[in-house]
Amino acid sequence: DTAVSQTPKYLVTQMGNDKSIKCEQNLGHDTMYWYKQDSKKFLKIMFSYNNKELIINETVPNRFSPKSPDKAHLNLHINSLELGDSAVYFCASSHTGGSGANVLTFGAGSRLTVL
Amino acid sequence: AQSVSQHNHHVILSEAASLELGCNYSYGGTVNLFWYVQYPGQHLQLLLKYFSGDPLVKGIKGFEAEFIKSKFSFNLRKPSVQWSDTAEYFCAVISNQAGTALIFGKGTTLSVSS
Repeated sequence: DTAVSQTPKYLVTQMGNDKSIKCEQNLGHDTMYWYKQDSKKFLKIMFSYNNKELIINETVPNRFSPKSPDKAHLNLHINSLELGDSAVYFCASSHTGGSGANVLTFGAGSRLTVL
Repeated sequence: AQSVSQHNHHVILSEAASLELGCNYSYGGTVNLFWYVQYPGQHLQLLLKYFSGDPLVKGIKGFEAEFIKSKFSFNLRKPSVQWSDTAEYFCAVISNQAGTALIFGKGTTLSVSS
């Protein structure tokens, strides 16, 4: 069983469209994250949720809206896609306490290409 | 605010050569430190981590890292690299304050030739 799974793995779309990426973890973690990896491989935190509550919201355009229906899921919806949104989006999860605190487990990534 | 800098952007080595990748962070308080590896086309995997205790930590695949608090450094080492170590290596840091996230360095590309 995949610990952190993201869908879709690849997404090609036109500028101006709206798209969503889904993430699910079966590790029993209470915190989930979205990271963006740009073409230079730089990883930047976008959002973090703990038990369905938003705790980190970095400087991200409000076209990006995360949603956590429960602590095992964190979805990312992007409105009015722009060329600069092209990147690989990684979902991750972790515990917030105990020996596994802050140890992130990453999904395989979702490569978004905006044409 | 926390930040992480990795000094080497691209390192090219022959098999069996020794490796050291530099990582420095800026944050005055208590931190947890990590090295992650990303093999071509794959997701990030944890190589090793430092939370407390012995500043020399050993990870998977023969990697180790040393935390030097006075230098705010957490350099990654391997005595003898293999072709299969070709990958992107990321140093990362998180403070122990609530509401902070893991911050990554810009990564070092390691290319090992056989």
